[in-house]
Amino acid sequence: GQNIDQPTEMTATEGAIVQINCTYQTSGFNGLFWYQQHAGEAPTFLSYNVLDGLEEKGRFSSFLSRSKGYSYLLLKELQMKDSASYLCAVRASILTGGGNKLTFGTGTQLKVEL
Amino acid sequence: DSGVTQTPKHLITATGQRVTLRCSPRSGDLSVYWYQQSLDQGLQFLIHYYNGEERAKGNILERFSAQQFPDLHSELNLSSLELGDSALYFCASSSLAGVRTGELFFGEGSRLTVL
Repeated sequence: GQNIDQPTEMTATEGAIVQINCTYQTSGFNGLFWYQQHAGEAPTFLSYNVLDGLEEKGRFSSFLSRSKGYSYLLLKELQMKDSASYLCAVRASILTGGGNKLTFGTGTQLKVEL
Repeated sequence: DSGVTQTPKHLITATGQRVTLRCSPRSGDLSVYWYQQSLDQGLQFLIHYYNGEERAKGNILERFSAQQFPDLHSELNLSSLELGDSALYFCASSSLAGVRTGELFFGEGSRLTVL
C-alpha cells in the first residue's frame, strides 16, 4: 500500500515563498502529483513529477527525490487566493489493464495572511 | 468549470436507503474515476472505469457499486446507507494523456448527508 505524510496546516505571508513537504512510502512508483483544493470546491491539478528533480510552472514548482520518498511544492510570490488545501498524491504503478489509481494525502491547509 | 458534471449537488437521505450519483465526463474523456472525501479520511479512491470497463478498484465497500455506460456517463450506487457514508463524492475524468500525467478533472462533487 501507500503511506503519504504532509503537514496539516501552514501559514505564510502574502508575497513570500512557502514550501509544502510531502513524504511517501509506496510499493512501486509511477508518479507524484500535486493538487490544489479551495474550500468547498473540487481539486484542481497543479503538477506531476515522475523523475527526480524540479518541475517549474509559473509561480509553482514541484520537486521529487525518489530515493528519499520526498517531494515538495514551492509557491512563490504568495497571493491571498493561494489560501487552499494542497494535496500530494502518489501513483504506485500503471495497473494491469491500464488502471490509474492516485492515492492522496490528507492535504496541507495553507493560509496566506497580509 | 472543469467540464465534468455531477448530479445531484446535494442529497439528504436516511440510513438504510439507496442513492445514485451521476457523472458526465469531459467531452472526449474515456476515463472516469470516483473518489470519496470525508473530513477525517481525505480523498479516497473508489474506482476507475475506462470506456465502459472497470480498470482499477480501491477500498470500495460491497454496498457500493458503479458502472460506466456506452455514452460514457457513470453512476455510483450507494445502498444500505450508514451515517459514516456521509461525505463528498467526487467524479473525475481524464484523457488518455491524462492517465500518464495524472491530470484528473474533477466535478464539483455530490454532498451526501445520511441522517
